[in-house]
Amino acid sequence: DAKTTQPPSMDCAEGRAANLPCNHSTISGNEYVYWYRQIHSQGPQYIIHGLKNNETNEMASLIITEDRKSSTLILPHATLRDTAVYYCIVRVASGSARQLTFGSGTQLTVLP
Amino acid sequence: EAGVTQFPSHSVIEKGQTVTLRCDPISGHDNLYWYRRVMGKEIKFLLHFVKESKQDESGMPNNRFLAERTGGTYSTLKVQPAELEDSGVYFCASSLLAGVHTDTQYFGPGTRLTVL
Repeated sequence: DAKTTQPPSMDCAEGRAANLPCNHSTISGNEYVYWYRQIHSQGPQYIIHGLKNNETNEMASLIITEDRKSSTLILPHATLRDTAVYYCIVRVASGSARQLTFGSGTQLTVLP
Repeated sequence: EAGVTQFPSHSVIEKGQTVTLRCDPISGHDNLYWYRRVMGKEIKFLLHFVKESKQDESGMPNNRFLAERTGGTYSTLKVQPAELEDSGVYFCASSLLAGVHTDTQYFGPGTRLTVL
């Protein structure tokens, strides 16, 4: 699975959009981009994933560049409860399930 | 629908003792994973079950760790004998059997293990 690079930390004002970047310059054509987050003392929580098209769900939007070498997770209206470590994970799409490889992620702090 | 559950939420044991962690996956999920985070480190994969079979146990640190999933439902992870470096948070995750698209894993709240 391709390696990802994320900034170690970011701040965001409550109510504003939080834009979390991720670089995955070695991504292959059959690899998905997944985002998880871990709120303190809880298990990792799935947020969203995508292959090459932009995706949106009730939690967030995922914007993947045309060359697929980077992506941005957008939380449109961040709240204090969105303070967490956010993980960008690239993982091959295949017919069999596979493990997730977590990096160090981005610590997002939403400020009041 | 109930999520992934883990028991106990916390366990404090002395070095040399045995501890068994339990994970109940989401009903109908064939895939079950164990991960752990030790102090100051990243979350690391331990092993993966498909139903009752071990698909990948490449992340198991040593033979003091034994995972089972009898009947393909809940799983247990036994540490015997526990060492100080086993302290950390143990997470379980489950997912449906993957088809064309890669599977989405859903995590439990974790078991915090402290070995004194």
